[in-house]
Amino acid sequence: GESVGLHLPTLSVQEGDNSIINCAYSNSASDYFIWYKQESGKGPQFIIDIRSNMDKRQGQRVTVLLNKTVKHLSLQIAATQPGDSAVYFCAENRGAGSYQLTFGKGTKLSVIP
Amino acid sequence: DADVTQTPRNRITKTGKRIMLECSQTKGHDRMYWYRQDPGLGLRLIYYSFDVKDINKGEISDGYSVSRQAQAKFSLSLESAIPNQTALYFCATSGLAEFTDTQYFGPGTRLTVL
Repeated sequence: GESVGLHLPTLSVQEGDNSIINCAYSNSASDYFIWYKQESGKGPQFIIDIRSNMDKRQGQRVTVLLNKTVKHLSLQIAATQPGDSAVYFCAENRGAGSYQLTFGKGTKLSVIP
Repeated sequence: DADVTQTPRNRITKTGKRIMLECSQTKGHDRMYWYRQDPGLGLRLIYYSFDVKDINKGEISDGYSVSRQAQAKFSLSLESAIPNQTALYFCATSGLAEFTDTQYFGPGTRLTVL
């Protein structure tokens, strides 16, 4: 089955609020995780990544949290804007020299003006 | 990402026809990938290539073939298209020298097989 999955398929957030998108993974050997954003009609766009030796990483308005104990990954978007409306995917690299990524099915984020 | 381009962007074809989707990249990356995306199924890997002489099957390679003509070019062929190959197809690249496995995607090709 799918080892990289989602807790919610859709998420609606008021503009200006913070968004939290969750992802679960099952492979303890996974050592690298990426969040992608896909806008309608476009290809997935890299947002932020994190390695398994870290538990938090921050970018511009985005933070990724990694909890290896419960195999959980989250993406936090601060002050959500209409332009953040998109589908967000998490992806994992399964370690051991693998260069393949396994993708979750995605969460659709809708920002309410 | 303008560094990864795909042609055509849209294609409608008939069952049994041979179709080629092309991907070019200017990122200087070694590794290239082809995925298909279907609603509710996410991205699934069709083929990947680590260099010009290295081609590998992904999880759903049946019905597809690929050619790595150069480091910068990776094409996907459907020898005899069938309706369940209707999907959005993405090419992606990643760079060995970057020490990460981040993949960068093209804009996609929407393929419809009638």
